[in-house]
Amino acid sequence: AQSVTQLDSQVPVFEEAPVELRCNYSSSVSVYLFWYVQYPNQGLQLLLKYLSGSTLVKGINGFEAEFNKSQTSFHLRKPSVHISDTAEYFCAVNPHRDGNKLVFGAGTILRVKS
Amino acid sequence: DGGITQSPKYLFRKEGQNVTLSCEQNLNHDAMYWYRQDPGQGLRLIYYSQIVNDFQKGDIAEGYSVSREKKESFPLTVTSAQKNPTAFYLCASKGQGGTYNSPLHFGNGTRLTVT
Repeated sequence: AQSVTQLDSQVPVFEEAPVELRCNYSSSVSVYLFWYVQYPNQGLQLLLKYLSGSTLVKGINGFEAEFNKSQTSFHLRKPSVHISDTAEYFCAVNPHRDGNKLVFGAGTILRVKS
Repeated sequence: DGGITQSPKYLFRKEGQNVTLSCEQNLNHDAMYWYRQDPGQGLRLIYYSQIVNDFQKGDIAEGYSVSREKKESFPLTVTSAQKNPTAFYLCASKGQGGTYNSPLHFGNGTRLTVT
């Protein structure tokens, strides 16, 4: 079975500062990795995904994430945040052989302050 | 524009009543999913369906039921047997037959409050 740990439940940061949202996973099989964003009272939107190849993945809205297999991590970063980035962010993993077993982390609320 | 429509956005019910949440998609996706979201717990899978007239239990199916009579529609019924039904419910779909590396597309959710 897979599990996902998002190490911070909330991350406050000032506008234009860099941010890192941490995600670690546990799995006995190879996985695909995803980050989703959720704005208040809305569904989730895909930010980026790692399937294979380069371990540095770029997504929408200036976000990027780096897959580290040895540390089983997939941390999300942005060099300069905006007020509009305030949202909840979810890390998720899916084993290679079962598309219906996507497992989500508990989420990290990013609060950008002016 | 293609997408997933969930209705209603807010739903209030008395304890002991069954309630059905609607989910319609026009993305021509084969696979559809229902998730429950509670604060601080992420999303948990209730049911999923890969094709019409077939569906599978997820991790927390007890107290819920679904049907998949049409490709476009995947309604969720929250029955009176669900002990703690108040939550935010999200419907999602996936193209390419639900393959493992396809991302999910989500609706905007239904917030159910049972008193």
